[in-house]
Amino acid sequence: DSGVTQTPKHLITATGQRVTLRCSPRSGDLSVYWYQQSLDQGLQFLIQYYNGEERAKGNILERFSAQQFPDLHSELNLSSLELGDSALYFCASSVQDANTGELFFGEGSRLTVL
Amino acid sequence: AQSVTQLDSQVPVFEEAPVELRCNYSSSVSVYLFWYVQYPNQGLQLLLKYLSGSTLVKGINGFEAEFNKSQTSFHLRKPSVHISDTAEYFCACSMIKAAGNKLTFGGGTRVLVKP
Repeated sequence: DSGVTQTPKHLITATGQRVTLRCSPRSGDLSVYWYQQSLDQGLQFLIQYYNGEERAKGNILERFSAQQFPDLHSELNLSSLELGDSALYFCASSVQDANTGELFFGEGSRLTVL
Repeated sequence: AQSVTQLDSQVPVFEEAPVELRCNYSSSVSVYLFWYVQYPNQGLQLLLKYLSGSTLVKGINGFEAEFNKSQTSFHLRKPSVHISDTAEYFCACSMIKAAGNKLTFGGGTRVLVKP
């Protein structure tokens, strides 16, 4: 158990809909990261937050947004969903934002868009 | 920009045999290197990391990796695998002087350990 909690574990929805994925980082971790894992794109970095502030941005679509709340949990919002958004979305956390650190990954939220 | 290439998408290996997973990276700046493992239906877990110093890095579960700057490689090895090593392995890098902690992952190598 990494200590990172993601909900929901599975989600099935239709094209055009909007979903919210939730992540609770390990106790004491200030950084939260979102990654997308799909068969064709592999593991792609989406975005990082550190203590409530956006820290780094990757290949995140404009239809996607994220935020980190004062209690350090994070949410990833996916809107106007397309079939190609079907993927496993991982949240990870670390104590700081230095890139020497170890990331602790949750078990992921599997999104299926029909 | 940086990229990571894992040369083998699948590696079948017999139990107690050695295994080597190949990883090459490309970057215009210096990078840190990592190997992560993903067991079925689980998130990723750090196996080992190279930040500086000795180019031979030892990790958990008997794995080790060697950083070779001239060949821009960071191959992962284990001298004797167990059934429980069946998993997907990801090589990753991050830029040393970048803001944030963005990891760039390779495509992964599936290891199937056969009895």
